[in-house]
Amino acid sequence: GAGVSQSPRYKVAKRGQDVALRCDPISGHVSLFWYQQALGQGPEFLTYFQNEAQLDKSGLPSDRFFAERPEGSVSTLKIQRTQQEDSAVYLCASSYSGRAQETQYFGPGTRLLVL
Amino acid sequence: AQSVAQPEDQVNVAEGNPLTVKCTYSVSGNPYLFWYVQYPNRGLQFLLKYITGDNLVKGSYGFEAEFNKSQTSFHLKKPSALVSDSALYFCAVRDPFVDTGTASKLTFGTGTRLQVTL
Repeated sequence: GAGVSQSPRYKVAKRGQDVALRCDPISGHVSLFWYQQALGQGPEFLTYFQNEAQLDKSGLPSDRFFAERPEGSVSTLKIQRTQQEDSAVYLCASSYSGRAQETQYFGPGTRLLVL
Repeated sequence: AQSVAQPEDQVNVAEGNPLTVKCTYSVSGNPYLFWYVQYPNRGLQFLLKYITGDNLVKGSYGFEAEFNKSQTSFHLKKPSALVSDSALYFCAVRDPFVDTGTASKLTFGTGTRLQVTL
């Protein structure tokens, strides 16, 4: 079956613009995660959903970052008033139920460049 | 807090030779450990994981990893490297005490670039 998909794959934004990044998890996966991967670094956790409930948003770097998953499937990560430090690859992952021993499956990522 | 260290930024090995990519971890209890591989312009691909049981875990593409509790390590190994194994490898840990069906984020290391040459 299809894996996790993300769109757009690449996004160039001018500083101050708002952007929206989309994630389609594997069908039937209850849990969805967003990570941010800066250049030369490992992914860092941003936020976590179980169905439509956002259970952990402790990794969101500022109140400019907002994520939603209104119907418990597709998720959108929105960044308002983008800054140059927001330039990174944004990775989405899903897992079947979110239990700690489960594998998270990652999408290809959205590479965001803020000029 | 949980953490992962990958002490080598890059590992170079000749094709056909064995390879080892090192990972050490820190968690409050018994860890859940994962290895992922990342090819250019692609997301992370799952290789293998240790949850419990046998300390030697076998995964995809001939990779294996050995969990060593006393040394808090989970090194990735392969008996015979291929040029196509050249990629960025990430070790990750998850806190098992959050196994309640709620937040269970992965904490990643900074990655090790594996370069396999002919």
